Amino acid sequence: AQTVTQSQPEMSVQEAETVTLSCTYDTSESNYYLFWYKQPPSRQMILVIRQEAYKQQNATENRFSVNFQKAAKSFSLKISDSQLGDTAMYFCAFMSRNRDDKIIFGKGTRLHILP
Amino acid sequence: EPEVTQTPSHQVTQMGQEVILRCVPISNHLYFYWYRQILGQKVEFLVSFYNNEISEKSEIFDDQFSVERPDGSNFTLKIRSTKLEDSAMYFCASSTDSTGELFFGEGSRLTVL
Repeated sequence: AQTVTQSQPEMSVQEAETVTLSCTYDTSESNYYLFWYKQPPSRQMILVIRQEAYKQQNATENRFSVNFQKAAKSFSLKISDSQLGDTAMYFCAFMSRNRDDKIIFGKGTRLHILP
Repeated sequence: EPEVTQTPSHQVTQMGQEVILRCVPISNHLYFYWYRQILGQKVEFLVSFYNNEISEKSEIFDDQFSVERPDGSNFTLKIRSTKLEDSAMYFCASSTDSTGELFFGEGSRLTVL
């Protein structure tokens, strides 16, 4: 069974700093997706970034980038120039590509951006 | 921008009562999901629905749970006889395909007394 582990329950950084959220996962599959979802205090989760396991290049979306280490099964999220609006719960998630359309979430990291 | 909407935002019910949580997915989406998040815990998959049938369900989704899409727009989750441990935030989500970009609703908080 696949598992997703986020070892940082809570983090705080000053506005404009860079922060890295850790995520490791376990799977025996070779073909899958990894995601970071953001859940702001308003509760609606939104997709931040997605990585396809067969792509070696790390995904990037503006200030958000990932460090995908497939052999180590590590998928960290880096937020550059952090903003107050980045304050949220961040969930790392995994999905197999083998006709298994459930997403498995980690427990989340609560990120506070301090003014 | 189209979004997934859920009603009610909060429901309080007595243990043993039936509850129906409603969701209106984004109109051109084909895959529908229910997840739940018990307070302070991770988001857990309940069920996925595609082509008018359940495509996958978790161990949590036992006989007390059911889903249906009665009119082509609403996607409902029914809990037949609620238990205290069903208290959670329930999230509906939809997507255009099975590549994982889910669009979530704001959730329905269920409190079972």
